Amino acid sequence: SAVISQKPSRDICQRGTSLTIQCQVDSQVTMMFWYRQQPGQSLTLIATANQGSEATYESGFVIDKFPISRPNLTFSTLTVSNLSPEDSSIYLCSVVGRGLNEQYFGPGTRLTVT
Amino acid sequence: GDSVTQMEGPVTLSEEAFLTINCTYTATGYPSLFWYVQYPGEGLQLLLKATKADDKGSNKGFEATYRKETTSFHLEKGSVQVSDSAVYFCALSFSGGYNKLIFGAGTRLAVHP
Repeated sequence: SAVISQKPSRDICQRGTSLTIQCQVDSQVTMMFWYRQQPGQSLTLIATANQGSEATYESGFVIDKFPISRPNLTFSTLTVSNLSPEDSSIYLCSVVGRGLNEQYFGPGTRLTVT
Repeated sequence: GDSVTQMEGPVTLSEEAFLTINCTYTATGYPSLFWYVQYPGEGLQLLLKATKADDKGSNKGFEATYRKETTSFHLEKGSVQVSDSAVYFCALSFSGGYNKLIFGAGTRLAVHP
């Protein structure tokens, strides 16, 4: 499986600011995804990060709030903009494994908005 | 739409007890099925998977069988350990890993000595 790192591991941010989360993979991967896990909840897909093109967003998530970059096959960033307390969650990136039929997850970024 | 339903937790067991966590799915087609585990303070780890009907996924003593007739993928372990305490998520996806994962709500397991 791929080794995935995320930065920062956690952060506390003030309302109205933004946080950019980095996801780095130790090998080239075709598909990268960003998920949100709200407190005590399951995971919900935010968007698919496409290399060389705009991200594909799920219903209820918009580019202005969650801009995503994917400059190459090993790296992606997710920005959570104009933060509110409702954005307090764990944000996880995932990649498709070499077997092409499973996803592997990074350790997550725990965001608290005050 | 496609969805996954898991039994509600928490599930509390004594060490060496038998574990079953129920998972059923609704899907328009034949998805791949997964169990992920989230240990306290950690990210998600893939525990096991099955890609077609009657497949059995297994790992670390855990097993689950893809039952198309009952649209189920129940997780079982014959003898749990304290170290198995975690949250377990059942999930499905289409097109292998290329499409999004749809997760169940998660089931928290607490194993006591």
